Amino acid sequence: DQQVKQNSPSLSVQEGRISILNCDYTNSMFDYFLWYKKYPAEGPTFLISISSIKDKNEDGRFTVFLNKSAKHLSLHIVPSQPGDSAVYFCAASAADNNDMRFGAGTRLTVKP
Amino acid sequence: NAGVTQTPKFQVLKTGQSMTLQCAQDMNHNSMYWYRQDPGMGLRLIYYSASEGTTDKGEVPNGYNVSRLNKREFSLRLESAAPSQTSVYFCASRAHPTNYGYTFGSGTRLTVV
Repeated sequence: DQQVKQNSPSLSVQEGRISILNCDYTNSMFDYFLWYKKYPAEGPTFLISISSIKDKNEDGRFTVFLNKSAKHLSLHIVPSQPGDSAVYFCAASAADNNDMRFGAGTRLTVKP
Repeated sequence: NAGVTQTPKFQVLKTGQSMTLQCAQDMNHNSMYWYRQDPGMGLRLIYYSASEGTTDKGEVPNGYNVSRLNKREFSLRLESAAPSQTSVYFCASRAHPTNYGYTFGSGTRLTVV
């Protein structure tokens, strides 16, 4: 069972515009959520996270929003840059739980 | 600072062959993980080691074994490789259970023919 879902396999945006990547989860025990970025032939790198006690976390151009009632989170990138082109994975974990679950990923392409 | 190092980077095996994927981290992290990445499936946890001396099954452990050799090293063994184990394997580590951000290695691309 896929407890973390990213329903958009790909997204294409123009440089300078906003990129919005979405993620849904089913397990109500999840209380910590992360986004990872992955370039080809490299491992995923941690990007930004949010705990369930918050509904928003910002880090520079990246903002993650959490809607617990809808079991939905999103990653906003503003403004998007060509170097942001990568696969983005959403991940979720319960407290003190080593079993972090990942979504299937969304491939973001930012066009110059 | 090498971070998490995986060897080999590429491997082709015949069905039934065995091999060990190696992983080492130099960040003094307590917890280490093995994931596999398949198209449309994201990353799925195979095994993890919460601390030196302990190992536990993840979501997809069948066909694999692991060894936490010491705090630095965590190996993944395929005893009898099957085509269904064709995948990209990632090793990861993190410092503490409350530090949720993992550091990943660059992966091992395994093909079983």
